[in-house]
Amino acid sequence: RKEVEQDPGPFNVPEGATVAFNCTYSNSASQSFFWYRQDCRKEPKLLMSVYSSGNEDGRFTAQLNRASQYISLLIRDSKLSDSATYLCVVKGDSNYQLIWGAGTKLIIKP
Amino acid sequence: EAQVTQNPRYLITVTGKKLTVTCSQNMNHEYMSWYRQDPGLGLRQIYYSMNVEVTDKGDVPEGYKVSRKEKRNFPLILESPSPNQTSLYFCASSGLAHYNEQFFGPGTRLTVL
Repeated sequence: RKEVEQDPGPFNVPEGATVAFNCTYSNSASQSFFWYRQDCRKEPKLLMSVYSSGNEDGRFTAQLNRASQYISLLIRDSKLSDSATYLCVVKGDSNYQLIWGAGTKLIIKP
Repeated sequence: EAQVTQNPRYLITVTGKKLTVTCSQNMNHEYMSWYRQDPGLGLRQIYYSMNVEVTDKGDVPEGYKVSRKEKRNFPLILESPSPNQTSLYFCASSGLAHYNEQFFGPGTRLTVL
């Protein structure tokens, strides 16, 4: 089993819809979680951190479910510019180690 | 402008021909890292460095070397490239206190024939 798993998609979603996708992680001791966004042929960029209490930033909401060992990303009122690959990242056991999921591709259609 | 630069952006080479991919950052970051990204796999860390003259192996270090002689530069060296090193390579940097927010270079697409 991979340490961090994501549904690769693609998720094809009409503009204005709400979309959510999950990421599961295998290490129950993991403490820190993040979502990065990667546009086609571009570098990844930090989207948001995921706190135990959840985290909301505008149209984006990140949640953590420790019992089931997954994090989720919810995007409301999706825009064409949200089309990208969303990477789930989990802090590893070693100092300064980040474990990356393979990403979920999101395509927003007009 | 705060940035991480990588060169070259694209490279096609042949098996066994030594090459170096340069990485430079202007944010005075202590932490620098090299990743490779392959289809269906997450970013995999090759090497990282927490400061000048301090480097350590990541998850997939075989076939690669790095050096950190200056804080701003962190070159990736492939002494004898092989086709399985064909990949998209990213350099990243961050402050030690905020290493979860890594700033990435634009990537280097390497093809080894």
